Amino acid sequence: GENVEQHPSTLSVQEGDSAVIKCTYSDSASNYFPWYKQELGKRPQLIIDIRSNVGEKKDQRIAVTLNKTAKHFSLHITETQPEDSAVYFCATGGTSYGKLTFGQGTILTVHP
Amino acid sequence: DTAVSQTPKYLVTQMGNDKSIKCEQNLGHDTMYWYKQDSKKFLKIMFSYNNKELIINETVPNRFSPKSPDKAHLNLHINSLELGDSAVYFCASSPSRAAYNEQFFGPGTRLTVL
Repeated sequence: GENVEQHPSTLSVQEGDSAVIKCTYSDSASNYFPWYKQELGKRPQLIIDIRSNVGEKKDQRIAVTLNKTAKHFSLHITETQPEDSAVYFCATGGTSYGKLTFGQGTILTVHP
Repeated sequence: DTAVSQTPKYLVTQMGNDKSIKCEQNLGHDTMYWYKQDSKKFLKIMFSYNNKELIINETVPNRFSPKSPDKAHLNLHINSLELGDSAVYFCASSPSRAAYNEQFFGPGTRLTVL
């Protein structure tokens, strides 16, 4: 089955800095790559996603890049703000209905 | 106007008991899911239903039994609860069973087995 590795497990940055979270996956058939944000005690929420026919997607301060050949994708957050502090999960899908396989999560802390 | 709701929010029970968690969505979605998030925050899919039909059934002990009376509801019944069942259980829904849909999560049910 699919295996998704996410790094780093924790990330601490100063407000205004950039943050990058990376994921690698094992199943070359995966073709959907969403990122979910989970604030403390809250539910996961989709922040951005990308399909395999696109190499990069940007939405304001967040962007996702995909390298299908190398089977890795990354989340980039620029000009970080304290409200960006949360757990971020990458996931892969596209091989079995809506089944998503999640990475282990990254705890992002943005210091004011 | 909660899109995906779950009850109860907290559930504390003794080992060996049987308990149920209920989920409802008012988004008109066809597909619903159950996820388990353990103490290390790892999110893993358990089940998925599409229009009351089971379409994803991961390697989950058969003490866990989902039931979907209609496409807006997906319940999870757990028999003979064990300590390792302690976790946050999230319900989610998506417009269809297609792979590319956003999944909308409920607020979660924190289950503690003593």
